Amino acid sequence: DQQVKQNSPSLSVQEGRISILNCDYTNSMFDYFLWYKKYPAEGPTFLISISSIKDKNEDGRFTVFLNKSAKHLSLHIVPSQPGDSAVYFCAGHVPGGYGGSQGNLIFGKGTKLSVKP
Amino acid sequence: EAQVTQNPRYLITVTGKKLTVTCSQNMNHEYMSWYRQDPGLGLRQIYYSMNVEVTDKGDVPEGYKVSRKEKRNFPLILESPSPNQTSLYFCASSFLRTSADWSEQFFGPGTRLTVL
Repeated sequence: DQQVKQNSPSLSVQEGRISILNCDYTNSMFDYFLWYKKYPAEGPTFLISISSIKDKNEDGRFTVFLNKSAKHLSLHIVPSQPGDSAVYFCAGHVPGGYGGSQGNLIFGKGTKLSVKP
Repeated sequence: EAQVTQNPRYLITVTGKKLTVTCSQNMNHEYMSWYRQDPGLGLRQIYYSMNVEVTDKGDVPEGYKVSRKEKRNFPLILESPSPNQTSLYFCASSFLRTSADWSEQFFGPGTRLTVL
């Protein structure tokens, strides 16, 4: 059972426009959601997170929206730049057995974003 | 420079030949984790560790072992590798989150393993 789903394998956007990457989840125990960016031949890099008790978090050009009732989150990139072209992973965090400490991260399959000049 | 290093970066081996992929971090992180990435499956967590001598299974632990004898190192051990363990492996580390804020995970560059 896929707990985190990224239903769009790829997305192509024009430079300067908005990129919207979507993610759905089924596990109600997730207490945090993360977005990671991955370039070829490199490890993933952390982009932005959102707590399950919030509905929005913003960091520069990146904003993540969380709709708990719909079990849906989205990452908005405005304006999109060619350097944003990468694979984006959504992940949910299941709390560990020690209160708020780190537990298990469950990733989606990723969405490949291409930003065209 | 703060980083997570993995060795080797590339490895081709044969079925049944024990191997170890090393992971080391220099950021004094308590939390370390191993993931594998496969086409169409994304990243899946193998094992994680919240501190020295504390390890736990992730989503796909079968066929793997880990140890955490020192804070900086978290080796991944394949006692008897099989072709279905051919994959791209990532190690990651972070501070242990004890507050409401998320503690960013830093990933290594990856190890591409092929088991023939």
